[in-house]
Amino acid sequence: EAEVAQSPRYKITEKSQAVAFWCDPISGHATLYWYRQILGQGPELLVQFQDESVVDDSQLPKDRFSAERLKGVDSTLKIQPAELGDSAMYLCASSLGGEVGEQYFGPGTRLTVT
Amino acid sequence: GQNIDQPTEMTATEGAIVQINCTYQTSGFNGLFWYQQHAGEAPTFLSYNVLDGLEEKGRFSSFLSRSKGYSYLLLKELQMKDSASYLCAALDSNYQLIWGAGTKLIIKP
Repeated sequence: EAEVAQSPRYKITEKSQAVAFWCDPISGHATLYWYRQILGQGPELLVQFQDESVVDDSQLPKDRFSAERLKGVDSTLKIQPAELGDSAMYLCASSLGGEVGEQYFGPGTRLTVT
Repeated sequence: GQNIDQPTEMTATEGAIVQINCTYQTSGFNGLFWYQQHAGEAPTFLSYNVLDGLEEKGRFSSFLSRSKGYSYLLLKELQMKDSASYLCAALDSNYQLIWGAGTKLIIKP
């Protein structure tokens, strides 16, 4: 069964350092999402791509976060510099596209900033 | 503003039935999703409702009332593996998912 791949699964970094996460969606899925989830809360959308274009990045802290999906397939989310408050689970999800679609989530990257 | 309300935590007994409620206020509405999330893992899709009524899928059923802005997830014949958080998410007029904080379900033997 096809799955969304993410790496690394766990990352510990010191504040002010740069960190990057990678996501490979299910093949053929045009829409890709990056979420941040703090323990005990629901996922918060950071950025949504349709193919290689950004559809929504209104909640992305653009002073420190950046995301790209250059060829419309895999994607990278970067944080520079990392802050203590960035400690969270970063989830990538993909869907076939269209307006209503079930999202398939990857296993997530657990980030701890010290 | 847009808002999803669901209980923070619920406890139920193995073999019993539990209903997890969700109320939503969104700018427009294009359907409601339920996801299950085990601790430390990613959410997995359970159900999608866009029309009023009950959708049954094995031990899990989901209900929607659009006029009341209300949904519930019904879990029957509870098993220990059902211990997880259950996330309610509504699709707004821009087809963006508005997520609730999740309901942590604890199953006791």
